[in-house]
Amino acid sequence: GAVVSQHPSRVICKSGTSVKIECRSLDFQATTMFWYRQFPKKSLMLMATSNEGSKATYEQGVEKDKFLINHASLTLSTLTVTSAHPEDSSFYICSAKDRGSNYGYTFGSGTRLTVV
Amino acid sequence: AQSVSQHNHHVILSEAASLELGCNYSYGGTVNLFWYVQYPGQHLQLLLKYFSGDPLVKGIKGFEAEFIKSKFSFNLRKPSVQWSDTAEYFCAVNPLSYNQGGKLIFGQGTELSVKP
Repeated sequence: GAVVSQHPSRVICKSGTSVKIECRSLDFQATTMFWYRQFPKKSLMLMATSNEGSKATYEQGVEKDKFLINHASLTLSTLTVTSAHPEDSSFYICSAKDRGSNYGYTFGSGTRLTVV
Repeated sequence: AQSVSQHNHHVILSEAASLELGCNYSYGGTVNLFWYVQYPGQHLQLLLKYFSGDPLVKGIKGFEAEFIKSKFSFNLRKPSVQWSDTAEYFCAVNPLSYNQGGKLIFGQGTELSVKP
C-alpha cells in the first residue's frame, strides 16, 4: 500500500535554531499533503495543507512565517520550524493524499521535536 | 464552530467486554468518515472508513462503525475487546464542501485501556 516516510523521527535543537522535517510519499504521487501537530494525550491539530507547486494553506492561528512549508515536488513536502522555542516542542505528523484516490490518506510516523 | 467530538476521553474495559466509542461531527453536507487507531509508540493506522452506501462499515481487527446521518454520528464498535486493543482511537471527518481542500479533521481521541 501507500507509504509515507517522515524524517527525522526525533530531533533535539537549541532555542533560536531552525529545524526541517521532511515528508516523502514513497510509492505514489501526492498533490496534497497535510501537516499536523499532536500534543501529549491530545488530538491531531491540522496546521496547514501543502499543495504541490503552490503556497500552503494555513489553519487559523498557525503562524506561516514560523512554520514554513514547501511542497516542491509530487513526492516531497517539508516543514521548517523557524527560530524554535521550547513551546514548539511537540509531535509533528504529516499525511499525504494519494493522487489516484480522492479518499486515501496515509500518515507518516511522526517527528518528535524537543527544543531546549 | 464546525468540529468533531469524541465523548469518551478514557475508556477502561476488561477483556471480552463490548466496546462503543462515540463520535459526532457538526459539518453539514456530505462527509467522508474515518476511524484511526494509534498504538503506543506507533503511527496512525486506518481502522475503517465510510464514503457512501451501507452505513454499517466493517474494518480491520473486528471493528465496525455505523453512520447515522440524522444524528451526525459515526460510532465505533467491537463486540469483544482484547488486551491488544489498548490504544488511542481517533475519529476523523473529511468535509466534502468546495473549500475544504480535502483536509481531515480529527476528534479529541479516546484512550482505550483493556485490562487482561
